[in-house]
Amino acid sequence: QKEVEQNSGPLSVPEGAIASLNCTYSDRGSQSFFWYRQYSGKSPELIMFIYSNGDKEDGRFTAQLNKASQYVSLLIRDSQPSDSATYLCAPLGGSNYQLIWGAGTKLIIKP
Amino acid sequence: EAQVTQNPRYLITVTGKKLTVTCSQNMNHEYMSWYRQDPGLGLRQIYYSMNVEVTDKGDVPEGYKVSRKEKRNFPLILESPSPNQTSLYFCASSLGASGETQYFGPGTRLLVL
Repeated sequence: QKEVEQNSGPLSVPEGAIASLNCTYSDRGSQSFFWYRQYSGKSPELIMFIYSNGDKEDGRFTAQLNKASQYVSLLIRDSQPSDSATYLCAPLGGSNYQLIWGAGTKLIIKP
Repeated sequence: EAQVTQNPRYLITVTGKKLTVTCSQNMNHEYMSWYRQDPGLGLRQIYYSMNVEVTDKGDVPEGYKVSRKEKRNFPLILESPSPNQTSLYFCASSLGASGETQYFGPGTRLLVL
C-alpha cells in the first residue's frame, strides 16, 4: 500500500462545475496536509494547506480533512480551464517529518 | 524577484561522468530540499537540509550527494550517474521546516545514457 494514494485520472470536469480531488494517507501521525498544483512542464506551487478536521475555504478552493478516515480532499468550485493541471496531495509526516507526496491527479476542465 | 534557480535546466550525459546540478535561493530560507519526479511515482525526496552544514537523507538518497556550505546554495552531485537516475529534478526551499510553503525551482531534466 502506498503511503499516499491519489487517483491518477485524468479527471474530466465541465467548465463551471465542481471538481473533487481525493487523497488517502497511511501515516496516522500526519497532522498537516498540503495541496500543490503542477501545470504541465512546470514546478509545483502551493494552493492551500489544512491542519484541522473539517473544511477550510480559500476562494474557489475548499480543503476537507477527516483524520479518522485518513482522508483529505480538495474541491474546486466554478472550475475554469486554467484549473487544468495535476494536483498533488502531500501530508507532513513519516519518520523524518517531511512531506510525503502522492503521485497526483490530473484534472482536465472542458470548456 | 524572490526565486529558486536551478542550473542546468536540461542535461544529457553518459554513465559514470560526474555532474553537479546547482540550486540557489534568494529568500534567506533555512530549509532546502531536492526531489526527483518520475511518471506515476510523484515527487520523491532525495536529500534535505534544515540549515547550513546540516543535511539529511530523504527517501531515495542512493547515488546522490549534497552539501550546504552557505544558506543560499544547495548543489546536488551525481558522482557516477547511471541510467536509472534519468529523471526530472526539483530543488525547493522554505522559510523554516518542511511543513511551511515550499518554493520550487524550475526543474532540471536529466538524461543519462
